[in-house]
Amino acid sequence: GAVVSQHPSWVICKSGTSVKIECRSLDFQATTMFWYRQFPKQSLMLMATSNEGSKATYEQGVEKDKFLINHASLTLSTLTVTSAHPEDSSFYICSARWQGAYEQYFGPGTRLTVT
Amino acid sequence: GQQLNQSPQSMFIQEGEDVSMNCTSSSIFNTWLWYKQDPGEGPVLLIALYKAGELTSNGRLTAQFGITRKDSFLNISASIPSDVGIYFCAGRNYGQNFVFGPGTRLSVLP
Repeated sequence: GAVVSQHPSWVICKSGTSVKIECRSLDFQATTMFWYRQFPKQSLMLMATSNEGSKATYEQGVEKDKFLINHASLTLSTLTVTSAHPEDSSFYICSARWQGAYEQYFGPGTRLTVT
Repeated sequence: GQQLNQSPQSMFIQEGEDVSMNCTSSSIFNTWLWYKQDPGEGPVLLIALYKAGELTSNGRLTAQFGITRKDSFLNISASIPSDVGIYFCAGRNYGQNFVFGPGTRLSVLP
């Protein structure tokens, strides 16, 4: 149980375009989802927290207009990187938890490369 | 803000050896999680700890919630090649998001 999927697993896009990444909880209702960014050989950096039906809460330093997060249902959250630039290239990982739980379950990650 | 330190940063061990790693915090936590991440994958939850002093096992893995509530420990017994990866600890206090440590990179030599 507690399976989280992400799509796509990798994406290459041109500078200036937008990319959408989906995060789905497959066997539970995710009342809260988290989006992380991870650079090579580094830890996970929390970008934002989203509760179903509410606006996402962004961490300090994360541009909400650049990283659009939508959590419209209890099983789906999306992260859209708008007007992507090479410095946005990274490994993006989502995680999810159900109501009342402390544990977070991670998706497999999406590698974004902006050329 | 809250910070976690993990020790050691990396370790190379022989297959069959036991492994010990720890995680320390500058502040008190009420929940600790341990994750393993393989290259190019998302972290996988190994063990969750909820009470100071708690000792929990998952197969060859054992984790403990330190009694000071500022540290946690993970032990792996009789390591095997598939134990290779990065081990992250994560801690949180009530009403807060988890803070992740920098990770311990484990390499197992055959």
